[in-house]
Amino acid sequence: ILNVEQSPQSLHVQEGDSTNFTCSFPSSNFYALHWYRWETAKSPEALFVMTLNGDEKKKGRISATLNTKEGYSYLYIKGSQPEDSATYLCATNTNAGKSTFGDGTTLTVKP
Amino acid sequence: ETGVTQSPTHLIKTRGQQVTLRCSSQSGHNTVSWYQQALGQGPQFIFQYYREEENGRGNFPPRFSGLQFPNYSSELNVNALELDDSALYLCASRDRVNEQFFGPGTRLTVL
Repeated sequence: ILNVEQSPQSLHVQEGDSTNFTCSFPSSNFYALHWYRWETAKSPEALFVMTLNGDEKKKGRISATLNTKEGYSYLYIKGSQPEDSATYLCATNTNAGKSTFGDGTTLTVKP
Repeated sequence: ETGVTQSPTHLIKTRGQQVTLRCSSQSGHNTVSWYQQALGQGPQFIFQYYREEENGRGNFPPRFSGLQFPNYSSELNVNALELDDSALYLCASRDRVNEQFFGPGTRLTVL
């Protein structure tokens, strides 16, 4: 992995479904991984910052895990709601301060 | 505590012109990063400033330059505009904890 890659590119689920996305990144020079939620016509909103291998973070129905050795992070949404519809971005930081974003996963939750 | 603000919201320029975009960081944040986001892609890191000095740069040519002021507001300057410079330009500020807070962006159109 040379860049930050996110999958799937887009996802359509029904209200109440649980879902998850993947972020893959180069494990060399890793410093931190960020997840953001970006709703249309708004600013990207920080969800989680994770730095340690094995980190797990949770905020309400959303949680994330981090594996720095194999270079991936998962974002989980439990019981999706229409207001969860957004593009979810992940980004890595090197210790030199350079940020690299993936292209995002666009989630649409149908009522 | 005020959030990150950017001006202008929208801007139309012609090829070859120069443009200056502005960003006011969140109170207490001494690091600001600028990103270019083209449609369908994740934000691309342009550069980062810490205490008025550039301390990280992405793969952008020298005609992309910046400034950070003592009050931690900043500017992104782009000279000799090209059609491909049309994009959403985001700035984000952060403190030592590393969580980034994004502004709403400036939509630049180059004709």
